[in-house]
Amino acid sequence: SQKIEQNSEALNIQEGKTATLTCNYTNYSPAYLQWYRQDPGRGPVFLLLIRENEKEKRKERLKVTFDTTLKQSLFHITASQPADSATYLCALDGTGGYNKLIFGAGTRLAVHP
Amino acid sequence: DVKVTQSSRYLVKRTGEKVFLECVQDMDHENMFWYRQDPGLGLRLIYFSYDVKMKEKGDIPEGYSVSREKKERFSLILESASTNQTSMYLCASSRTYEQFFGPGTRLTVL
Repeated sequence: SQKIEQNSEALNIQEGKTATLTCNYTNYSPAYLQWYRQDPGRGPVFLLLIRENEKEKRKERLKVTFDTTLKQSLFHITASQPADSATYLCALDGTGGYNKLIFGAGTRLAVHP
Repeated sequence: DVKVTQSSRYLVKRTGEKVFLECVQDMDHENMFWYRQDPGLGLRLIYFSYDVKMKEKGDIPEGYSVSREKKERFSLILESASTNQTSMYLCASSRTYEQFFGPGTRLTVL
């Protein structure tokens, strides 16, 4: 079955540095991959979508890469700020259509001043 | 601004009770989803609906049912609540790829 793995350990970095989060998947070839941000006690919020034929996507300080050979996506936040502290979830399109998604468990990012 | 609302932020119920969780979206989206989120397990899809009165089972439908009588409203029903259904429940809607989530309902079953 499809499996998505995100680093379960929290990532702690200093303000101003680049945060890099990893999403690995197996047993599947997704047409696209999404990243969401989730703050404590709130629902996830969509950040970026990258398609299988795109290697890289950028949005302001965010950059996502998608390597279908390695079955991996990397999510980068440059010039990180304490306000970037949150849990970041990656999601793949599920089988069966209807825009279903399969989510990873998320990685918590803590940016320290 | 797009919005998905859920009827309760926190809910405490007793084992065996019938529980209704309501979700309303104002974006005229065709697709609506119910997930539960547990630590270390991520979001798991319970049920989804792609049109009024249409529903499909997700990955963990056992112990749950759903109802979609109007396009904007998608209800999750726990027929007989059990302690292992204590969780955060999240509703989402979508038209294309991006899913819009509600704030979640933290349900505790005692």
